[in-house]
Amino acid sequence: DTAVSQTPKYLVTQMGNDKSIKCEQNLGHDTMYWYKQDSKKFLKIMFSYNNKELIINETVPNRFSPKSPDKAHLNLHINSLELGDSAVYFCASSQDSAGGRDEQFFGPGTRLTVL
Amino acid sequence: GENVEQHPSTLSVQEGDSAVIKCTYSDSASNYFPWYKQELGKRPQLIIDIRSNVGEKKDQRIAVTLNKTAKHFSLHITETQPEDSAVYFCAASPWASKLTFGTGTRLQVTL
Repeated sequence: DTAVSQTPKYLVTQMGNDKSIKCEQNLGHDTMYWYKQDSKKFLKIMFSYNNKELIINETVPNRFSPKSPDKAHLNLHINSLELGDSAVYFCASSQDSAGGRDEQFFGPGTRLTVL
Repeated sequence: GENVEQHPSTLSVQEGDSAVIKCTYSDSASNYFPWYKQELGKRPQLIIDIRSNVGEKKDQRIAVTLNKTAKHFSLHITETQPEDSAVYFCAASPWASKLTFGTGTRLQVTL
């Protein structure tokens, strides 16, 4: 009955590899997000999708490509991984009902380590 | 875009004392201000939020105040307990979905 889930929880890989992180929410929310949290704990939004449509695309290298097959899933694919990509990646979701901002529910995070 | 500054970066208080964390934001269009708590190795979780039509909100031992004129908002935790130890993040939202987070405050409650 986990609300927002991510796989894998840990990911260790070599520079130059391509990897994907998957996210699923069972809350019936319309909006999903990807955040990056670096070693200093800074939490920065990368992407946001609303009903499978991209609505936020921050200044992120185009090696990062989000994909939303349906509104319950938002995956993140990263090409040609670099050392600086090492971080914890959080998926989140919110309802964003008309007229207000809503609580964002975070997944457990995926710790990516690039060697 | 929105810029959120948060102070202090670390805060140590004795159990039972109060803790105050302050944030300022830059975008006058921001009208939603949540606070998230992140325990070590865990996900951020919402603890309280405030919207721009309200100046203060309280939930048991935590309260948030908002001064829209000065563009700052604060988190107040009273009667702190060891389980309050965590990193706290403020955030501001100028439009639907887009949250800009502060840099975080590591709160340590000592016995």
